[in-house]
Amino acid sequence: GNSVTQMEGPVTLSEEAFLTINCTYTATGYPSLFWYVQYPGEGLQLLLKATKADDKGSNKGFEATYRKETTSFHLEKGSVQVSDSAVYFCALGGGNQFYFGTGTSLTVIP
Amino acid sequence: NAGVTQTPKFQVLKTGQSMTLQCAQDMNHNSMYWYRQDPGMGLRLIYYSASEGTTDKGEVPNGYNVSRLNKREFSLRLESAAPSQTSVYFCASTTEGGTQYFGPGTRLLVL
Repeated sequence: GNSVTQMEGPVTLSEEAFLTINCTYTATGYPSLFWYVQYPGEGLQLLLKATKADDKGSNKGFEATYRKETTSFHLEKGSVQVSDSAVYFCALGGGNQFYFGTGTSLTVIP
Repeated sequence: NAGVTQTPKFQVLKTGQSMTLQCAQDMNHNSMYWYRQDPGMGLRLIYYSASEGTTDKGEVPNGYNVSRLNKREFSLRLESAAPSQTSVYFCASTTEGGTQYFGPGTRLLVL
């Protein structure tokens, strides 16, 4: 079946540090892959997505590349800001259903 | 354009009480979803509706029922609430390309 495994947190970084949050998936067929972000007290918001192998999704300085050979979709940002503090979810979409990782909490300190 | 709205924002119930969580979207999406979010568990799908008039079970449907009232509205009903249903509930609607738009959530406490 379909599933997503993502790096457990919490992650604490200093401002301007490099961020990587690992995400691997198991899927049948050719799913789309997503990263969502959740700020305190809010619903999830789409951060970026990729719909096929080797696609790179990017938004607000965040990037992730759909790697079919390693079944991965790691999230990266070169220089994090305090405003990036949130919970990040990796997700997989196939057919009518979506599968989410357990979330990784990121705190960026000044 | 309000996106996805949910009511209520917060609710306290006693064990055995019933309630309906309301969700509406104004983006003309066909697909709508109900998830629950629990610490360390991520989001788990309760029910979804791929189009008006259809509903299907997700990963954790027991204890819940849903109604797709029309294209805009998708409600979730707890007939007899249990403490295990204490959670944050999110409704989402989905574009044809698979992007999900989430509501702000309903925080439910069952005593």
